[in-house]
Amino acid sequence: EIVLTQSPGTLSLSPGQRATLFCRVSQTSISYLSWFQQKPGQAPRLLFYGASRRATGSPDRFSASGSGTDFTLSITRLEPEDFAMYYCQQYETSPWTFGQGTKVEI
Amino acid sequence: EVQLFESGGGLVQPGGSLRLSCAASEFTFSDYAMTWVRQAPGKGLEWVSSISAGSDATSYAGSVKGRFTISRDNSKNMMYLQMNSLRAGDTAVYYCVRDGARYISGLIDNWGQGTLVTVSS
Repeated sequence: EIVLTQSPGTLSLSPGQRATLFCRVSQTSISYLSWFQQKPGQAPRLLFYGASRRATGSPDRFSASGSGTDFTLSITRLEPEDFAMYYCQQYETSPWTFGQGTKVEI
Repeated sequence: EVQLFESGGGLVQPGGSLRLSCAASEFTFSDYAMTWVRQAPGKGLEWVSSISAGSDATSYAGSVKGRFTISRDNSKNMMYLQMNSLRAGDTAVYYCVRDGARYISGLIDNWGQGTLVTVSS
């Protein structure tokens, strides 16, 4: 199965700062990668799919890029509501797999 | 807005069975594949099982294959997960999620709020 490794595990930042999160794919190149945001006690929410396609409702301060084995999620200016867990997920090959997550904390 | 509502979770003893249900609304249910994803307490996300729009294809994670059965009833806008031979490692919040296509694509675009399954004696 395809393994996704997210880094860093935790990102400690302040509101207004820029956040950059990484997702590295093992073994193979992929195109089909999504990013999700999850707040405590809530279900995840789709932010991006197809590596860089913005999902409905995903704020403009979020952007996603990458191809092959290295992918990035960026948040230009952190808002208080952006402090959450972020997961990448590949849907290139079954079984669909998720990264272990990056926690963005204040 | 897509609505997905899970039910059926609860406390079950190891070796026991449980059936989860997912009620879908505000979209044409029969046009989309559906999926179950779970999250153990304090842990990450794990894909469990998927079913195509017409039920002609199903797939399972290795950890549940042979123990779980996914199904759906398009006339009722419902999806189900029959879980047998439950283990402590199956303890998790189970999310009903919509796939972005009729076939099983793995593109997850909407999530329910989840139902907690606890396997413990």
